[in-house]
Parts: sequence; structure tokens; C-alpha cells
Amino acid sequence: DQQVKQNSPSLSVQEGRISILNCDYTNSMFDYFLWYKKYPAEGPTFLISISSIKDKNEDGRFTVFLNKSAKHLSLHIVPSQPGDSAVYFCAASGGINTGNQFYFGTGTSLTVIP
Amino acid sequence: KAGVTQTPRYLIKTRGQQVTLSCSPISGHRSVSWYQQTPGQGLQFLFEYFSETQRNKGNFPGRFSGRQFSNSRSEMNVSTLELGDSALYLCASSQGVYNEQFFGPGTRLTVL
Repeated sequence: DQQVKQNSPSLSVQEGRISILNCDYTNSMFDYFLWYKKYPAEGPTFLISISSIKDKNEDGRFTVFLNKSAKHLSLHIVPSQPGDSAVYFCAASGGINTGNQFYFGTGTSLTVIP
Repeated sequence: KAGVTQTPRYLIKTRGQQVTLSCSPISGHRSVSWYQQTPGQGLQFLFEYFSETQRNKGNFPGRFSGRQFSNSRSEMNVSTLELGDSALYLCASSQGVYNEQFFGPGTRLTVL
């Protein structure tokens, strides 16, 4: 049972434009969400997080939005750069309420075209 | 601070053998989690250890086991390897369950 879903396996965006990556979850106990970026042959790298008490968190070019009622979060990258080309994973946790583990989506492969 | 390290980086085994993977977390991190990544399946949670105790285990057969030592270093063992165990195995450490996890580079296991 995939509790965190990334329904778009891939996304292509022109350099300088906005990239929007989406993530849906099913478990209402999740209250902490993260985005990771992964290059081939490397482990995922933490990008940005958001807790359920917020609906937006920004860090430079990266902004994460959380819509709790829709159980949906999104990652916006503005402006997109070729170096952003990677696989992006969203992850969610509810702490002890969800077994002290993070649940990951299957990833979205972003390609930023120069 | 040094990052999460995993050894070995690459491993080739044959069916029926067993394998042990090692993970050294970031200094001060007491939580270590293991994941299996296969194409199209994302990161599948194997288990999480905190202060030498396994707090949670994912939906994997008993052939997959792990342990954590007093210095927070962790090992993962897979016995009686099957072809389907070929994957990238990732270790992640964190200070706690509401802190971001930091991943190692992974161990690429190939079972022939």
C-alpha cells in the first residue's frame, strides 16, 4: 500500500521556468514532509521540509506547499537550472504515530532543458 | 562533520550466499534507517534502529536483518540471497524521527 504517491514519473522544463513536482499522501497521521533530490549513483540529498503547522516553506529557489485538506504537497523550483536535473522524492512521517519511519514516493525524474 | 558512510559501495554475490552491509552514521545521530531502492519502486523501508533497538521493520522477509552497535554504527544482513535482492541499499541517519534523514551513497548489490 503506497501511502505516498508521486504520480508523474518524469517532468521536463525549460531552463529559467518553474518546475512543479507533486506528491499526494493518504495517511492523515503524517505531519512532517520532506523533499529529497537524488543523482545517479549517489544517495538522496535533503532539500527542504515542512511540518503540518505550516502551509509553505521557502529556501532559496525551492518552495514547498502543503495542502492538508487535499493531502497534497508540491515542490516549486524557480528558476529551474540544468543542475536541478535529478530524481526528486517526497517523504512523509507521523513520528511514533506511523511507526517511526519515513514513507517515500516513487520519485519524479526532472529534466531541465538548457 | 563527516557524512554517512556505507561499505562496500559495490558487491556481487551469487544466489544462496549471504551478505553484510555496513553503515556509519553522522556523529551524534542515534537513528539509523535502511532502505532498498529498485527501479520504479522508490525507497522501500527495511528497518530503523535507535540506540541499538529496532523500533520498526518494513515488509521484508526474515532473510533481511540488522543490528546497531553502541557507537550507532549499523549493519544489515541478507541471507540466502535471491536474484530479486539486487538493488541499491541505502542507509540514512538522523537525530530523531522529526529530523531530516541524511543518506549515505548506498551499496549496489548485484545477485547473479
